[in-house]
Amino acid sequence: EDQVTQSPEALRLQEGESSSLNCSYTVSGLRGLFWYRQDPGKGPEFLFTLYSAGEEKEKERLKATLTKKESFLHITAPKPEDSATYLCAVQAMDYKLSFGAGTTVTVRA
Amino acid sequence: GAGVSQSPRYKVTKRGQDVALRCDPISGHVSLYWYRQALGQGPEFLTYFNYEAQQDKSGLPNDRFSAERPEGSISTLTIQRTEQRDSAMYRCASSLEQATEAFFGQGTRLTVV
Repeated sequence: EDQVTQSPEALRLQEGESSSLNCSYTVSGLRGLFWYRQDPGKGPEFLFTLYSAGEEKEKERLKATLTKKESFLHITAPKPEDSATYLCAVQAMDYKLSFGAGTTVTVRA
Repeated sequence: GAGVSQSPRYKVTKRGQDVALRCDPISGHVSLYWYRQALGQGPEFLTYFNYEAQQDKSGLPNDRFSAERPEGSISTLTIQRTEQRDSAMYRCASSLEQATEAFFGQGTRLTVV
């Protein structure tokens, strides 16, 4: 069975304090790994797709990387508006999309 | 429409009643997913369609849950004989193709009393 584990569960950062979130996975053949952002009361919002080990994607202060067993979401010099829950999802060869429990990031001004 | 639309946004029902939750995907999107999300948790996979074909229903908790997408567009998730443990946020997502990113709707908050 496909498994997605995210760590830490929660992360409290000072504004400007860079950090990384981890997503480790086991899947029977990876089609793609997706990162989402979810604000309270809202649906997940798509951020990135990574398809192969070594791939990197960037958007503003966020950078996602992928290895054969895990992905990292790096947050550089975060701002309070980066506070959210970040979800990782893997798509297996059968196209099933499985999510981790998420990392809740709080950035204090 | 511009995004994935789910209705109703909120549903309160009495235990034992049947409920139908509707999902209208982004126009032209061929894949459609249903998830259930508990507070503080990630979305839990329920079922998945490619066009009108239900490709995977392994996440449906039991036979009270069913889903259909008869014309390959709008989908309905039906829960029969609802129980209190069915109370949750139900989310629908659609993607343009099978292997592309999925976009989520606002969800339906189901409360069984």
